[in-house]
Order: sequence, then structure tokens, then C-alpha cells
Amino acid sequence: AQTVTQSQPEMSVQEAETVTLSCTYDTSESDYYLFWYKQPPSRQMILVIRQEAYKQQNATENRFSVNFQKAAKSFSLKISDSQLGDAAMYFCTGPSGGSQGNLIFGKGTKLSVKP
Amino acid sequence: GAGVSQSPRYKVAKRGQDVALRCDPISGHVSLFWYQQALGQGPEFLTYFQNEAQLDKSGLPSDRFFAERPEGSVSTLKIQRTQQEDSAVYLCASSELTGYLPPEKLFFGSGTQLSVL
Repeated sequence: AQTVTQSQPEMSVQEAETVTLSCTYDTSESDYYLFWYKQPPSRQMILVIRQEAYKQQNATENRFSVNFQKAAKSFSLKISDSQLGDAAMYFCTGPSGGSQGNLIFGKGTKLSVKP
Repeated sequence: GAGVSQSPRYKVAKRGQDVALRCDPISGHVSLFWYQQALGQGPEFLTYFQNEAQLDKSGLPSDRFFAERPEGSVSTLKIQRTQQEDSAVYLCASSELTGYLPPEKLFFGSGTQLSVL
């Protein structure tokens, strides 16, 4: 079965510091995307970053970067210079093996940012 | 519109009542997705449309759940004879036309929170 596992239900970081959120996944797909989505209290999911599995280079988007280890099926998110607005639920998302729209979401990590 | 719009934002239903949840995708987005998010969980896939064609409904939990997108734009998720276990946030997302891989980016609405009493 294809799975996405986030082992950290909650994380906390001091403003301006760096935090890493963990994610492991399992898939039989050879070509796929992995995503991190952010869900603030407004409930609207926002794409943070996307990794294409066939690319060895880790994706980066400003303060957000990933550590993608394809062989280990690990996909962690690093947030640098954390800001108060980064506080939210973060979901790791991967392929289900089904149709294009059938993505699997992890259970999420609640990130708190302390001023 | 500027983003994906869902209505109503909140819906309270008595057990056994039928409900209809509406999703207005971003104009021009071919693909539309429905997800169900239970309290404290990640979203779970329900169904996927490409234009008016429902290409995948494997995630619909029972035959009480029905989704349609008759003109390839607005979509409605209907739940008949609601049960308490249907209480969840229902998220709609849209994207540009996808190939064999998932869309590069899903644009989500703010969801409808359904509470069944």
C-alpha cells in the first residue's frame, strides 16, 4: 500500500530559527511528485513546495527547502528564519498509485512559532 | 474568480437529511477534486473530474455520496441521508489540465465544514 507518514504531530520553533519537519512515504511509482502543503486556521491549503522524484536536486522556495532521499523514501521540509506567519498545519503529500488527482496526505504536523 | 470558492462555509444537518455542497473552481481550470478532511486528520481523496467527466470516484465512501460537474465548471457534492460519521470538512481543489502525473499545483478552497447532529 502507498503511504505517507508524518511522525511529528506537533513542532515548535523560535522566531528566526530553523525547523525541520519529517516525512516518509512508500510508493511503487517510479515517476511522481511530492508536496508540502500548509493549512492555516482559514482551512485553505496552500502549496509550499514541490519535488519531482526524477530530479536529484532538492527543491527550494525562498526560506523553504526539502531534503529528498529517494532511496530512503524520505522527504523532509526545512523552514529557515521562521516567521510568525509560518504557524500552521503542514501536510506531506505523495502519490496514491491511483488517478492523477488521488493524492495521499499525511496526518499533518502542527507548527507553532514562538515570538 | 480569483480563487476556488466553496459554499456554504458551514453546514449543520440533522441525521438523515440530504445536503449539497458547491464548488466554484478557478476559471479555466479543467481538473477538479474533492477531498474529505476529518477532524485532526489529513485530507482524503473522494473524486476527480476532468471537465464534466468524472474520471475517478474511488474515494467516495458509500453510494450516499454523489458528485457532479455537468458543464465542466461548477461542481456539487451531494450527500444523501447524512450520518454522524459524515461530519468533516469537505475541500474542493482545482488545477490546470494534468498529464499522467498529478497536477503540479492544486488550488484549494476554504472548504465546507459539515456537522451532522
